[in-house]
Amino acid sequence: DAKTTQPPSMDCAEGRAANLPCNHSTISGNEYVYWYRQIHSQGPQYIIHGLKNNETNEMASLIITEDRKSSTLILPHATLRDTAVYYCIAPDAGGTSYGKLTFGQGTILTVHP
Amino acid sequence: NAGVMQNPRHLVRRRGQEARLRCSPMKGHSHVYWYRQLPEEGLKFMVYLQKENIIDESGMPKERFSAEFPKEGPSILRIQQVVRGDSAAYFCASSERQGAIYEQYFGPGTRLTVT
Repeated sequence: DAKTTQPPSMDCAEGRAANLPCNHSTISGNEYVYWYRQIHSQGPQYIIHGLKNNETNEMASLIITEDRKSSTLILPHATLRDTAVYYCIAPDAGGTSYGKLTFGQGTILTVHP
Repeated sequence: NAGVMQNPRHLVRRRGQEARLRCSPMKGHSHVYWYRQLPEEGLKFMVYLQKENIIDESGMPKERFSAEFPKEGPSILRIQQVVRGDSAAYFCASSERQGAIYEQYFGPGTRLTVT
């Protein structure tokens, strides 16, 4: 897996956009970037993934820089229920770790009223 | 469409007993993964299975742990002769197809407590 680096924690006011950064400078050309989150004591939840184009779904937007060395997950209108640990993962496209998600420390996002 | 189901949600075992954790993947999903989260630690991959096959068990402890995903029925993670260090949350995930194996959908987990 490409190494990813995320800030350990971030705060956001309710109703504002939450922008969570991730560095993945060693990512290879065919490795996607995936985002998951884990709300306290629940199972992780898939959010979104992308390769090189920006992506948007009902949960979030993913902005990937042109050189693919970093990305930003955007929650456009954060709510208290978005308080969670957010993980940026760039799994190995076809090596020995095929199918395996490697969860790092992630970013603890706290949304304040 | 029901999500990934795991049972039991909570399981208490005495040291030396066996623990059996069950996982029913989402309908139409044929890839199953098990992860473990020790207290105050991150999620760790354990095993990846397809129907009747173990694809990758590199994260499984060498002894006492086994997993299966039979042709019919749920996937089972079995822990024999449990020890206190096995106390953790065990999460199962499933994915739909070969081209989407990293788009994994997780169950609510089974919390195992060994006394």
